[in-house]
Amino acid sequence: KAGVTQTPRYLIKTRGQQVTLSCSPISGHRSVSWYQQTPGQGLQFLFEYFSETQRNKGNFPGRFSGRQFSNSRSEMNVSTLELGDSALYLCASSMSGTGGTDTQYFGPGTRLTVL
Amino acid sequence: QQQVKQSPQSLIVQKGGISIINCAYENTAFDYFPWYQQFPGKGPALLIAIRPDVSEKKEGRFTISFNKSAKQFSLHIMDSQPGDSATYFCAASTSGGGADGLTFGKGTHLIIQP
Repeated sequence: KAGVTQTPRYLIKTRGQQVTLSCSPISGHRSVSWYQQTPGQGLQFLFEYFSETQRNKGNFPGRFSGRQFSNSRSEMNVSTLELGDSALYLCASSMSGTGGTDTQYFGPGTRLTVL
Repeated sequence: QQQVKQSPQSLIVQKGGISIINCAYENTAFDYFPWYQQFPGKGPALLIAIRPDVSEKKEGRFTISFNKSAKQFSLHIMDSQPGDSATYFCAASTSGGGADGLTFGKGTHLIIQP
C-alpha cells in the first residue's frame, strides 16, 4: 500500500507570494491533517479535513487555508507569504481521524523556504 | 501555552543502554498518547501509543509508562541501538489525533553511541 505522498518536496518563494501544497492520503483514508514543523515551535496542528469538510483548525492566521477533494486528496494554501512561514509542512492521513486507535500516518513533508 | 512538555531536548546513550524520554501534559481531556519517531528528511512515524486506562504498554524494545495522576508519560527504549538515533516526539489528543489534532512535545534528539 502506498504511503502518504506530498508534492512538491521542496519549494522556494518570496515574501508576498502565495503557495499551494498538495497531499495524497493513503488509499481508503478519509481524514487528512496538516501540520507545520519549525525548529522553534516544533510540530503545530494547522487543520483537519474529513469528507471535504474542515472539522477543526489550529491557531494559525487566516492566510493559511485548505481544502479536500472528493477523492480525499487535500491542498493547503498560504497567501501573502512571510519569512516566518518557512517550515516543513507535513500532511497526515488516517481512516477517520477520531477515537479508537486511528493512527495518523505522515508524509515526508514539503520544505518551504520564504526569501 | 505549551500543553505537552518534553524532556530532555537531547540525549546521548551508549549502545545497549536504556533511553528514557519524559513528557508531561496539562489538559486532562487528553485520552490518547502516541510517540513518534522522525529521521532526517522523513515525516514522523508512529512508534507506540497508549490510552490512560493502562499504566504501561510494551512493544518490543519500546515501553510507554503512564501516570494519570501525575499527568506524565515516558518512553523507555531498552537495549538502545545506533539505528534508534532519531528525534522522538511525544504527543497527546482527545480523539485519536485526527479531528482535534495532535499536540506535540518539542522533541528529543537521541543519539546512540556505538
